[in-house]
Amino acid sequence: QVQLVQSGAEVKKPGASVKVSCKASGYTFTSYDINWVRQVSGQGLEWMGGMNPNGDSTGYAQRLQGRVTMTRNTSITTAYMELTSLRSEDTAVYYCTRGFRSDYWGQGTLVTVSS
Amino acid sequence: DIQMTQSPSSLSASVGDRVTITCRASQSVSKYLNWYQQKSGQAPELLIYAASSLQSGVPSRFSGSGFGTGFTLTISSLRPEDFATYYCQQNSIPPYTFGQGTKVEIK
Repeated sequence: QVQLVQSGAEVKKPGASVKVSCKASGYTFTSYDINWVRQVSGQGLEWMGGMNPNGDSTGYAQRLQGRVTMTRNTSITTAYMELTSLRSEDTAVYYCTRGFRSDYWGQGTLVTVSS
Repeated sequence: DIQMTQSPSSLSASVGDRVTITCRASQSVSKYLNWYQQKSGQAPELLIYAASSLQSGVPSRFSGSGFGTGFTLTISSLRPEDFATYYCQQNSIPPYTFGQGTKVEIK
């Protein structure tokens, strides 16, 4: 069965960076986009960006441009999202999702930014 | 960016009720509109893709319609497990923006 398993919760100080991983299994990893979506507690969903199946093209939300980088390692079927220059407003649950439709979601990774 | 506006923001309904949620896009997104359900403390789940296609495994009481700028999600007969927050998302033009969500609560 298709699974996306994300890395564990992180606590970071303002200005630091965080890298969240998303281990995919149960399907051909190189056949689907991986997207990243975040959700601040009690609020809605925000699309952060995505990477194409080949891993050679990424698109990021403009408000995160310059701070976010999405990569993948096909040999271990894992995608990564790195966010730099963290601010308190980056405190959120981060999700990876599969494909154009986001038909499967990871369980979420809570990133807390606090001094 | 394309703005997605859902209405209502919340609603109260009873088991067995027919529920309709509306999503409007600030410009045409053609048929590229998805609906997700999110229960408290869980990741969202895909219900409807391409405006009206039912995701595999989703009960047939869920249906979607619309094209261009106006879309609806309908639950034909509300069940207890349907009390949740529902989001629309356009995947026509990046950034693939979401609506603000509609919380369906028990009356």
